[in-house]
Amino acid sequence: GAVVSQHPSWVICKSGTSVKIECRSLDFQATTMFWYRQFPKQSLMLMATSNEGSKATYEQGVEKDKFLINHASLTLSTLTVTSAHPEDSSFYICSARWDYSDTQYFGPGTRLTVL
Amino acid sequence: AQSVAQPEDQVNVAEGNPLTVKCTYSVSGNPYLFWYVQYPNRGLQFLLKYITGDNLVKGSYGFEAEFNKSQTSFHLKKPSALVSDSALYFCAVRDHGGDDKIIFGKGTRLHILP
Repeated sequence: GAVVSQHPSWVICKSGTSVKIECRSLDFQATTMFWYRQFPKQSLMLMATSNEGSKATYEQGVEKDKFLINHASLTLSTLTVTSAHPEDSSFYICSARWDYSDTQYFGPGTRLTVL
Repeated sequence: AQSVAQPEDQVNVAEGNPLTVKCTYSVSGNPYLFWYVQYPNRGLQFLLKYITGDNLVKGSYGFEAEFNKSQTSFHLKKPSALVSDSALYFCAVRDHGGDDKIIFGKGTRLHILP
């Protein structure tokens, strides 16, 4: 149980284009989803927290207009990297938890490479 | 503000020997503590957690961790290491009285030597 998927698993795009990453909870209703970014050999950095039907809460220093997060249903959240640049290349990981749960369950991650 | 420290970047253990991966934490209230494991190019897999109750917590794949309030530690242990245990391990903490966010340590790379 508690399976989270991400799509795509990897993506390569040209500078200036936008990329959408999907995060789905497959066997539970995710009232809260989290988006993280991980640089090589580093820990996870929380980008934003999203609750179903509400606007996402972004961490300090994360540009909300660049990283658009939508949590339209209890099983799907999307992260759109707008006008991507090479410095946005990274490993993006989502996690999800259900209401009153204290544990986050993580997706397999999406590797984004911007050329 | 909560924080997590994993003092070792890397731990090397011979296969069959016991292993320990260290973690200390700081929170203002009561902690929720977690261990996750990450294999190359993969997301994090939940291993175990401490919320309340017995200080010794047993988790997946034979791992366990001991909550020590006086030392503010939550070290991960396994009695007999396997080569397949080689991975990156993250300790994480959440303040029980705080928001949803959990804070991760920087990770410890565990190498099990055959």
